[in-house]
Amino acid sequence: QKEVEQNSGPLSVPEGAIASLNCTYSDRGSQSFFWYRQYSGKSPELIMSIYSNGDKEDGRFTAQLNKASQYVSLLIRDSQPSDSATYLCAVIDAGNNRKLIWGLGTSLAVNP
Amino acid sequence: DAGVTQSPTHLIKTRGQQVTLRCSPISGHKSVSWYQQVLGQGPQFIFQYYEKEERGRGNFPDRFSARQFPNYSSELNVNALLLGDSALYLCASSLTGQETQYFGPGTRLLVL
Repeated sequence: QKEVEQNSGPLSVPEGAIASLNCTYSDRGSQSFFWYRQYSGKSPELIMSIYSNGDKEDGRFTAQLNKASQYVSLLIRDSQPSDSATYLCAVIDAGNNRKLIWGLGTSLAVNP
Repeated sequence: DAGVTQSPTHLIKTRGQQVTLRCSPISGHKSVSWYQQVLGQGPQFIFQYYEKEERGRGNFPDRFSARQFPNYSSELNVNALLLGDSALYLCASSLTGQETQYFGPGTRLLVL
């Protein structure tokens, strides 16, 4: 059973701080990794995709991938109350199915 | 460009009834995936279609079925509804199903 694991949280950070969200995955063959943000009652919204080892930055968000350790993370700099949401890590199954395998999500609360 | 659209947004059914959910992908996208998300969990994969062919199926009973039309829109059908089918049903579109998926707003189904 291929799995994606995340700490459920809640992760609480003060406004302006860096929030660090972590994800590990079991499928060594996976090549495509995604971070989605989901507000309560809404559908997931893509934040970042990453495919190569290293860092990828987009505004206040940085995704970090380490395939050897099977680890992907998301850093949110200068956290804002509007960043309070559940952050879902997803990995494309390297098998024939090519489906997204999801973590359960980490709840982030940014306190003013 | 319009994003992924889903209808209806909300639905209330009783046990034993049947339901049809609809999805239109982003223009140019030929793949649609369906997910079920119950409260507090990540999305669970139900089906993926590409070019009107079923490419993948998750661990859902045969009561769940889907199809994709020549215009790439899709329908998800659930027969003999159970209370446990109450969830947010998400449709995601992608170019071929092997890359970034973009989600519609979802259909919230309540089975009484």
